[in-house]
Amino acid sequence: AQSVTQLDSQVPVFEEAPVELRCNYSSSVSVYLFWYVQYPNQGLQLLLKYLSGSTLVKGINGFEAEFNKSQTSFHLRKPSVHISDTAEYFCAVAAGNKLTFGGGTRVLVKP
Amino acid sequence: KAGVTQTPRYLIKTRGQQVTLSCSPISGHRSVSWYQQTPGQGLQFLFEYFSETQRNKGNFPGRFSGRQFSNSRSEMNVSTLELGDSALYLCASSLSPPGQGFTGELFFGEGSRLTVL
Repeated sequence: AQSVTQLDSQVPVFEEAPVELRCNYSSSVSVYLFWYVQYPNQGLQLLLKYLSGSTLVKGINGFEAEFNKSQTSFHLRKPSVHISDTAEYFCAVAAGNKLTFGGGTRVLVKP
Repeated sequence: KAGVTQTPRYLIKTRGQQVTLSCSPISGHRSVSWYQQTPGQGLQFLFEYFSETQRNKGNFPGRFSGRQFSNSRSEMNVSTLELGDSALYLCASSLSPPGQGFTGELFFGEGSRLTVL
């Protein structure tokens, strides 16, 4: 069975500051990795995904994530956040026929 | 193209009643998954359908059920509602499910927010 742990439930950050959201997973088979974002009162949408190839993945809205197989991590980063980045972020792992989401990290961007 | 459509968007029920939620996936998508989202439990997987067959099921009681029609539209039903069933129910569609050429991109609807009084 696989599991996904998002180490921070909430991350407050000032506008134009960098942010990093941490995600660790466990799985006995090879995985695909994803980050989804949920803006207030909306469903989730895909930010970025790692399927294979380069371990540094770039997504929408200036976000990027790095897959580290030895540390089983897939941390999400943005060098300079905007007020509009206030949202909840979910890390997810697909292995075999199962997709598992982490508990989510709420990012609150302050002016 | 049109996104995933969920109806109704909001509904209020009382304990003991039953509810049916509907999900129309993106045209051409054959896989539909349902999730329950609450502040305390986060995002929890309910079930997944592909080509009218339930392929995966989460750890929910039998009061939660679902089905998928030949046009890929899906419904979920919750019987004998309890206060703890108050949640945002999210539907997501994809071209194929995990393990069958799955690209990992789920397309979510805006959800149906259920309040049980």
